[in-house]
Amino acid sequence: KNEVEQSPQNLTAQEGEFITINCSYSVGISALHWLQQHPGGGIVSLFMLSSGKKKHGRLIATINIQEKHSSLHITASHPRDSAVYICAVSYTGNQFYFGTGTSLTVIP
Amino acid sequence: DVKVTQSSRYLVKRTGEKVFLECVQDMDHENMFWYRQDPGLGLRLIYFSYDVKMKEKGDIPEGYSVSREKKERFSLILESVSTNQTSMYLCASSLFTGYEQYFGPGTRLTVT
Repeated sequence: KNEVEQSPQNLTAQEGEFITINCSYSVGISALHWLQQHPGGGIVSLFMLSSGKKKHGRLIATINIQEKHSSLHITASHPRDSAVYICAVSYTGNQFYFGTGTSLTVIP
Repeated sequence: DVKVTQSSRYLVKRTGEKVFLECVQDMDHENMFWYRQDPGLGLRLIYFSYDVKMKEKGDIPEGYSVSREKKERFSLILESVSTNQTSMYLCASSLFTGYEQYFGPGTRLTVT
């Protein structure tokens, strides 16, 4: 079974700060996913990546396959970025394995 | 846009009652999933289905069953609920194996 570890568990930042959330996993994967969950809301997919780097607006996701590590960066953070960010991995088959999430609060 | 809907946002049931949670997706996805989400444990897979009438157990299938009679609809059945089934239940669907999953809004089930 793939273990997925996220850090930090909780993060508080001032508006405008650069934020990094980390994810590490224990065995080879076919893809890594970053998800966002707002309080009381459903979960939305932010990125799916298997190598390199992807960018969408102020969000950047990177993955290092050799080190089994991924990071999610948020540039110029804003209070609306406050949410739980979840890392998940998939490999052969349908099942995802999820981290326990990082709860981010951005203070104005 | 893919839309995944769930039959209830909140449910309160008594121990021993039967609970039926329904999930519907509108994008002709092959794969559908039922998860529960608990604080500190993250999302855990209960069951998934890769085709009509096909199902596979996930990590925590005990106490649950599922039904997929139509491609767009995946139901989770709790035959006799217990207090340890109090949780948030999330449904998801995906077009391809291992690809992006689209989640419903969740059902918060409380068992008293």
